[in-house]
Amino acid sequence: GQSLEQPSEVTAVEGAIVQINCTYQTSGFYGLSWYQQHDGGAPTFLSYNALDGLEETGRFSSFLSRSDSYGYLLLQELQMKDSASYFCAGNTGGFKTIFGAGTRLFVKA
Amino acid sequence: DAEITQSPRHKITETGRQVTLACHQTWNHNNMFWYRQDLGHGLRLIHYSYGVQDTNKGEVSDGYSVSRSNTEDLPLTLESAASSQTSVYFCASSATGDNEQFFGPGTRLTVL
Repeated sequence: GQSLEQPSEVTAVEGAIVQINCTYQTSGFYGLSWYQQHDGGAPTFLSYNALDGLEETGRFSSFLSRSDSYGYLLLQELQMKDSASYFCAGNTGGFKTIFGAGTRLFVKA
Repeated sequence: DAEITQSPRHKITETGRQVTLACHQTWNHNNMFWYRQDLGHGLRLIHYSYGVQDTNKGEVSDGYSVSRSNTEDLPLTLESAASSQTSVYFCASSATGDNEQFFGPGTRLTVL
């Protein structure tokens, strides 16, 4: 089957760095996306990794290792507004996307 | 500004009724997707379309259908609503060749 596994919850302190891991098992794999979703809101796109390595966008970075079927989202200088759910999503071909169950991030003061 | 809208935002219906959820985007995107979101499952793909007259089944398509008669709209129909279809439904779109999906605000559907 196809699946993406990520931790259900992560807690971190304001100003700290947090890493959200994602491991995947898919029959076809073309890249890994990350989305953020605040309670009651719609998912919003954060990043996409098609190739191995680190992609940096401001305070957020995303990493992919195809050989390990693994990726992570790194959030730096955490702010209270970063409290949200974060989803990794695998592109399995033709922009068809399979999502993980999501990681709920709690940022504490 | 371009946007993607869904209607209704909230819907309560009874078991066995046919229900249609609307999705309209003004991005002129070719790709459109329907997901359902349930606690513990994240977003699961129901149907998707790569253009007019094109529709494809996703991982949880049983009991749902879509049609794509123009670029802007991809309505989702529940043929005979079941309590198991109580969920939050999100529509999304993306441009050809682009992995970034833009999501609508969602429709909360309750089937009694």
